[in-house]
Amino acid sequence: GQSLEQPSEVTAVEGAIVQINCTYQTSGFYGLSWYQQHDGGAPTFLSYNALDGLEETGRFSSFLSRSDSYGYLLLQELQMKDSASYFCAVREAGDDKIIFGKGTRLHILP
Amino acid sequence: GAVVSQHPSWVICKSGTSVKIECRSLDFQATTMFWYRQFPKQSLMLMATSNEGSKATYEQGVEKDKFLINHASLTLSTLTVTSAHPEDSSFYICSARGSRTTYEQYFGPGTRLTVT
Repeated sequence: GQSLEQPSEVTAVEGAIVQINCTYQTSGFYGLSWYQQHDGGAPTFLSYNALDGLEETGRFSSFLSRSDSYGYLLLQELQMKDSASYFCAVREAGDDKIIFGKGTRLHILP
Repeated sequence: GAVVSQHPSWVICKSGTSVKIECRSLDFQATTMFWYRQFPKQSLMLMATSNEGSKATYEQGVEKDKFLINHASLTLSTLTVTSAHPEDSSFYICSARGSRTTYEQYFGPGTRLTVT
């Protein structure tokens, strides 16, 4: 089976930087994804890491260390609209499906 | 590109009736579609994976006779909640993956089902 751990809630200040960590346990591993979900909405894809290292997309970056079974999502220059839930998700090698973590609710203070 | 629609966006039904939810990929062919269920402030729980033209693969604990999934074409999958009960009230979300990507799933806007 597989399991993912991420903090349930994180609070940060507008304009600051926040890092959301994710550790995972899988029997095989294909890649780690991050999704954003606003209340009442559907998840939207943010990033994907299959290899070790940092992937940057605008204000968002995602990091993966396969040897540590660990990744993180880094959000810079936080804006109020970034208040949402963020899910890490893994796709296991040889499997079609993606399994989501429990999600981290990001609260942003003005 | 890569737009997925769901219909209806919300539905209220009486206990004992059946409800069908449609998931369509609008601008790409979805070889695989996924159905998720999400309770308030919780994660997405995968219910089943469906491939076009074949039977859906259900996750452990999901009743296949209650949640009927049909993936009749490369752009349409349907989820039918049969004999709905109040505990089936939830947010149902579909996602689709085209053959041109190996990892990214495109999510529909979700359907909020309320069973009274």
